[in-house]
Amino acid sequence: GQQVMQIPQYQHVQEGEDFTTYCNSSTTLSNIQWYKQRPGGHPVFLIQLVKSGEVKKQKRLTFQFGEAKKNSSLHITATQTTDVGTYFCAGANQGGYGGSQGNLIFGKGTKLSVKP
Amino acid sequence: DAGVTQSPTHLIKTRGQQVTLRCSPKSGHDTVSWYQQALGQGPQFIFQYYEEEERQRGNFPDRFSGHQFPNYSSELNVNALLLGDSALYLCASSFRNEQFFGPGTRLTVL
Repeated sequence: GQQVMQIPQYQHVQEGEDFTTYCNSSTTLSNIQWYKQRPGGHPVFLIQLVKSGEVKKQKRLTFQFGEAKKNSSLHITATQTTDVGTYFCAGANQGGYGGSQGNLIFGKGTKLSVKP
Repeated sequence: DAGVTQSPTHLIKTRGQQVTLRCSPKSGHDTVSWYQQALGQGPQFIFQYYEEEERQRGNFPDRFSGHQFPNYSSELNVNALLLGDSALYLCASSFRNEQFFGPGTRLTVL
């Protein structure tokens, strides 16, 4: 079945360093979403990418969707201690119902720790 | 406006028992999805409910069943619990492709 792979599994950085996590799907995706989960918390939606080659920015976060719509990346510039958590990508290859997203396939996440 | 709410927060059961978890979606959301998140893993899609019917299902056995009520709230039922069912169960409601997760129910099966 469809798989979404995410690397690295863990990343330890010094505060102020940059961080990147990569996501690869075994199949072409209709869209990809990114989530952040703090320790002990639940996933929080960050962004959705839909178009081939799309790049979106949110302050220090830059999200990219590959031309083939099979890979994506999240880059954080100048990490801060508030960036600590696990970042998940989640891919979809079909639509859902109502206003919803269909079956999302999550990667295993990249756990980011930031040393002050 | 309350977000997605789930109950209970924690639950301890023994093998073979049955459990029911509950979810109330964010106001205005009509679609509810359920996910299982094992420790150190990403959430795994169980199923999605819309208009009181199961619309999509992930790779989970029939022991996992659900229901959606007219007010859009939902229940997840798991029968004949196994040790491997221990996990965080997340409910998510959706609007325009933005998915909001609830805080989850931590289920421990002994």
